[in-house]
Amino acid sequence: AQSVTQLDSQVPVFEEAPVELRCNYSSSVSVYLFWYVQYPNQGLQLLLKYLSGSTLVKGINGFEAEFNKSQTSFHLRKPSVHISDTAEYFCAVRKTNFGNEKLTFGTGTRLTIIP
Amino acid sequence: DAGVIQSPRHEVTEMGQEVTLRCKPISGHNSLFWYRQTMMRGLELLIYFNNNVPIDDSGMPEDRFSAKMPNASFSTLKIQPSEPRDSAVYFCASSLSGDTGELFFGEGSRLTVL
Repeated sequence: AQSVTQLDSQVPVFEEAPVELRCNYSSSVSVYLFWYVQYPNQGLQLLLKYLSGSTLVKGINGFEAEFNKSQTSFHLRKPSVHISDTAEYFCAVRKTNFGNEKLTFGTGTRLTIIP
Repeated sequence: DAGVIQSPRHEVTEMGQEVTLRCKPISGHNSLFWYRQTMMRGLELLIYFNNNVPIDDSGMPEDRFSAKMPNASFSTLKIQPSEPRDSAVYFCASSLSGDTGELFFGEGSRLTVL
């Protein structure tokens, strides 16, 4: 079975500073990787995903993530954060074989932007 | 386009009562997922359906929980009898099977069992 570890439960960052949210995964088979964002009282929405090809993936709202197979990591970054980035961020993994659709989520990282 | 629609958005009930949560997936999607979110346990997959058939229900906590998908546009999650520890936000999500796995989430149903 696959699993996801988000090492930081809370990350406070000053506005306009860079941020990195860490995600490590464990799986015996190849996987797809995702980052989702959850704003207060809302459902999750997709930020970006890694399927194959280039290891640097760009998503919405200026976020990007880099897939590192040797370190089994998929860290999320943004060079300059904004107040509106305050939210909870979830890393998720699923197997690449079709017919096994379920996503396994990490425990989430709460990003707080300090004005 | 309408997204995933869940109802009710909020439900407060007393222990022992039956609770039914409803979900309408995005039209054309053929996979549907029920997740539960709590502070203690994060996001847990309860069950998922593909083409209205339950594929994996290993996350359903116990016999008090049941889920159905009578057709492609409707699913229910029922808890009977409810207990305080069932208090959580329940999310429904849908996706297009065979695609790359992006899930589209509803806004959730916040359940409080007193």
